[in-house]
Amino acid sequence: EIVMTQSPATLSVSPGERATLSCRASQSVSSNLAWYQQKPGQAPRLLIYGASTRATGIPARFSGSGSGTEFTLTISSLQSEDFAVYYCQQYNNWQITFGQGTRLEIK
Amino acid sequence: QVQLQESGPGLVKPSETLSLTCAVSGYSISSGYYWGWIRQPPGKGLEWIGSIYHSGSTYYNPSLKSRVTISVDTSKNQFSLKLSSVTAADTAVYYCARASQWLRHAFDYWGQGTLVTVSS
Repeated sequence: EIVMTQSPATLSVSPGERATLSCRASQSVSSNLAWYQQKPGQAPRLLIYGASTRATGIPARFSGSGSGTEFTLTISSLQSEDFAVYYCQQYNNWQITFGQGTRLEIK
Repeated sequence: QVQLQESGPGLVKPSETLSLTCAVSGYSISSGYYWGWIRQPPGKGLEWIGSIYHSGSTYYNPSLKSRVTISVDTSKNQFSLKLSSVTAADTAVYYCARASQWLRHAFDYWGQGTLVTVSS
């Protein structure tokens, strides 16, 4: 099983500042990496797929980078609605696993 | 607008079988895409359970494979999950979702989720 490790577990950032979230895979997943945002009581929302492509309707302040085993989600200027939990997810030969999540909270 | 809606019992007894259905609207399952189930125990992270292609090909999480069956009914435009021999550890919000190889198997549409509690 490919283990996805997200860091940090909790990130405290002020509105308007930049947030950088990390996701590491225990083995290469190429660019088969997605990022999701989840707010309390809601289903996850797809932000990024293919490691760096924004999903439909996702604001440009969200960007993804990386390949292989190291990935980053960057939110360039945090808005109030961005404070949530973020998950990465990998796909490799029909094994799909998620990271444990990073909680982004207001500083 | 693609919409997914989970339905099924909210309470299941230990050792019994959990059964859920996901009704899809705004898109015909038989036209393509993969259709999956993901669960989230209260206060915890996400776990992929399995996926099915419109043709009926299935793919399961190895840790759950012995207990999981996912099927599709294209005539009703829905797909279903059965999880046998449940225990309290299977208590979770269960989501159905859509994925595609063009999205590198990311899930782009999700249902709202349904809480299933395993308790006697």
